[in-house]
Amino acid sequence: EAQVTQNPRYLITVTGKKLTVTCSQNMNHEYMSWYRQDPGLGLRQIYYSMNVEVTDKGDVPEGYKVSRKEKRNFPLILESPSPNQTSLYFCASSLRGGGTEAFFGQGTRLTVV
Amino acid sequence: GENVEQHPSTLSVQEGDSAVIKCTYSDSASNYFPWYKQELGKGPQLIIDIRSNVGEKKDQRIAVTLNKTAKHFSLHITETQPEDSAVYFCAAPPGNGQNFVFGPGTRLSVLP
Repeated sequence: EAQVTQNPRYLITVTGKKLTVTCSQNMNHEYMSWYRQDPGLGLRQIYYSMNVEVTDKGDVPEGYKVSRKEKRNFPLILESPSPNQTSLYFCASSLRGGGTEAFFGQGTRLTVV
Repeated sequence: GENVEQHPSTLSVQEGDSAVIKCTYSDSASNYFPWYKQELGKGPQLIIDIRSNVGEKKDQRIAVTLNKTAKHFSLHITETQPEDSAVYFCAAPPGNGQNFVFGPGTRLSVLP
């Protein structure tokens, strides 16, 4: 089954403790992206990647890191999480960027206390 | 860069009525216009899309219309049902097609 898989689905952590949210897709897509969703603010893009070893900042990249060492994986790293990073996070992939259908993961609800 | 606006932000309709959500975009080179539906607790999912060489596309109760001259496109849902209640996002990639730019979303409530 074609899918984008995020882990974990739910995470509660403390300020400053490094964490990684994993994202994997099995569709051989070139493009992957991370979004955060907060009430009333829609989907805000954090980082995106057009292919292996190619990443670029989205609208809200501060406090986040990403890497794209393999085509299928695109982890999101919070080196020192803060409470303002409490949010619902989505990973997405598409065959070739914005001109093709985006497939979203189920989301990761992160709480930083 | 591309700017995508979406209206209204919330919409309530009676079951059986029609719903229309409109998006405007700024990059005249954009050529792909999808609509996504996000149900509670899930990620957004594509429901219909249209490319710039087509003015209208239908799929059962949903349709999308595109006006490239005016740079806007609309989602039409007819005979709404309670399961249509969700948040709907439009998107328009910039002309280079590299990235997604989503609208802010519309929360649709279908009242029984």
